[in-house]
Amino acid sequence: GENVEQHPSTLSVQEGDSAVIKCTYSDSASNYFPWYKQELGKGPQLIIDIRSNVGEKKDQRIAVTLNKTAKHFSLHITETQPEDSAVYFCAARPVTRDMRFGAGTRLTVKP
Amino acid sequence: DSGVTQTPKHLITATGQRVTLRCSPRSGDLSVYWYQQSLDQGLQFLIQYYNGEERAKGNILERFSAQQFPDLHSELNLSSLELGDSALYFCASSVATGGSGELFFGEGSRLTVL
Repeated sequence: GENVEQHPSTLSVQEGDSAVIKCTYSDSASNYFPWYKQELGKGPQLIIDIRSNVGEKKDQRIAVTLNKTAKHFSLHITETQPEDSAVYFCAARPVTRDMRFGAGTRLTVKP
Repeated sequence: DSGVTQTPKHLITATGQRVTLRCSPRSGDLSVYWYQQSLDQGLQFLIQYYNGEERAKGNILERFSAQQFPDLHSELNLSSLELGDSALYFCASSVATGGSGELFFGEGSRLTVL
């Protein structure tokens, strides 16, 4: 089955700096790569996703890049703000299979 | 609000007991997924149902079982509970199964086993 590894497990940045979280996956059949944000006491919420036919996608301050050859994808957050502090999960999903999540990255943005 | 409803929000019980967690998916979603999140851990996939039928199974213990009813709500049954079963249990739903469908998560049921 799919195995997703996520790094780093914790990340602390100053407000205004950029944050990068990286994930690798094992199943070459994976074609959907979402990123979820989990705030304290809440369920994960989708913030951005990318499909295997796209190399990069951007939505305001967040962007995701995908390298299918190397089987890795990354989340980039620019101009970080304190409200970006949360746990971020990457995930990968093969066609007709269940979604597998990385272990999560706890991002802290210091004011 | 994701549209996914989970009950109860909190549950405290003793070892050896049995509990049932309930999930109502978003209106129109046919797939329901159950995930376990232990303290400072990631989301461990347990099981998926699609339109009443089991579709995929993850690392679900034999003491755990689930089902999806004709009205599409789902229940996760945890029996012979152990201290290590203490965790947040999330339900998620999506329109279809597989593919690139977004998962919508509920707010979770926090289970504490004493």
